[in-house]
Amino acid sequence: DAGVTQSPTHLIKTRGQQVTLRCSPKSGHDTVSWYQQALGQGPQFIFQYYEEEERQRGNFPDRFSGHQFPNYSSELNVNALLLGDSALYLCASSLGPSGGAGDTQYFGPGTRLTVL
Amino acid sequence: AQRVTQPEKLLSVFKGAPVELKCNYSYSGSPELFWYVQYSRQRLQLLLRHISRESIKGFTADLNKGETSFHLKKPFAQEEDSAMYYCALRGVTGGGNKLTFGTGTQLKVEL
Repeated sequence: DAGVTQSPTHLIKTRGQQVTLRCSPKSGHDTVSWYQQALGQGPQFIFQYYEEEERQRGNFPDRFSGHQFPNYSSELNVNALLLGDSALYLCASSLGPSGGAGDTQYFGPGTRLTVL
Repeated sequence: AQRVTQPEKLLSVFKGAPVELKCNYSYSGSPELFWYVQYSRQRLQLLLRHISRESIKGFTADLNKGETSFHLKKPFAQEEDSAMYYCALRGVTGGGNKLTFGTGTQLKVEL
């Protein structure tokens, strides 16, 4: 099991463009969460997908949207890119959306997005 | 609202010295606390969680609800402990699976 995988590794875009980032969860996991990590900061929760629906959302504008596919993989879309969207985007997978004593979030290596 | 505070950006200790990475939190309900670690060129990974009450790689952390703290401790630092450490909180009461992270502390163990 390769664990959580993300693509691409790096991405460079210009202001106003749109971007799509992809995530495949760890084998057996059905829930995907996305985080944004700006330089020098801890990861910030964007949203979580379970059963192909957005279940929980952090304090991010509607420019950030997502999707989950029947195979549990997920996409993060960002429209109208701003310079401030430059960050490392992390995907985490887990079993079930509600947390619990047996649950752990496993993180991918991230996608480094640079907006020029 | 959930908030996690890690007051130190960088902590430098000598090999063999005790280590304490500080973490304070703010949450009105019942929290679950975690420590995540990121070694150089590796992905973020779970180090320990308070409900497990176990020692991982010699590290322990005790949840102190009175002081709203979850400090990470190790009696004798090793060179391989050098890494970025993040404290994280999950709200158990209707909090779903969302993690709120602190800004992290870079631990540097010097020889």
